[in-house]
Amino acid sequence: AQSVTQLDSHVSVSEGTPVLLRCNYSSSYSPSLFWYVQHPNKGLQLLLKYTSAATLVKGINGFEAEFKKSETSFHLTKPSAHMSDAAEYFCVVSMDSSYKLIFGSGTRLLVRP
Amino acid sequence: DAMVIQNPRYQVTQFGKPVTLSCSQTLNHNVMYWYQQKSSQAPKLLFHYYDKDFNNEADTPDNFQSRRPNTSFCFLDIRSPGLGDTAMYLCATSRGAPGAGETQYFGPGTRLLVL
Repeated sequence: AQSVTQLDSHVSVSEGTPVLLRCNYSSSYSPSLFWYVQHPNKGLQLLLKYTSAATLVKGINGFEAEFKKSETSFHLTKPSAHMSDAAEYFCVVSMDSSYKLIFGSGTRLLVRP
Repeated sequence: DAMVIQNPRYQVTQFGKPVTLSCSQTLNHNVMYWYQQKSSQAPKLLFHYYDKDFNNEADTPDNFQSRRPNTSFCFLDIRSPGLGDTAMYLCATSRGAPGAGETQYFGPGTRLLVL
């Protein structure tokens, strides 16, 4: 069975410092992995996705994530946080020909001035 | 150039009074989804359509119904809303299966308040 664990419910960083949001997944097969961001009262926006190509995936707004099969991880990073990055982030997995997304519980990113 | 459009953005209804939420897309995608997202929780899939083929999640209450009259539009009908149905309702579309790497594109959501 598939599952996604986001290890931190809240992460707080200062503006200009690096961001690390952690995600581990459980999947029997080669998964498709996604990171979505949700600003308050808005829909979800795709940041990046992994689909069995390059293991280091670059996304929008300076975010990137590295797929590590041996560690079953897909952590999201950004070198320098901006105030506008404050939002909820969801790590998501899907597999095979499934239409269903399995969501992590989300990580709320706070950015301090 | 909005791609997934939801109307209304905010809806207030009374307990037991039917309500319909609307979603339209300009992407010409085959698949459309409805999610329910309660406060501080991840979205929960209610059902999806592949073209006109309807797929209900096993734990979706019978109170929730959906219609897809054409490729562009999909509706969520809540027949007798309860207080527990207060939530954000998100529509999404995709060309194919996310499990095969296809991206789901989300609309801005409709925030429903049941009084």
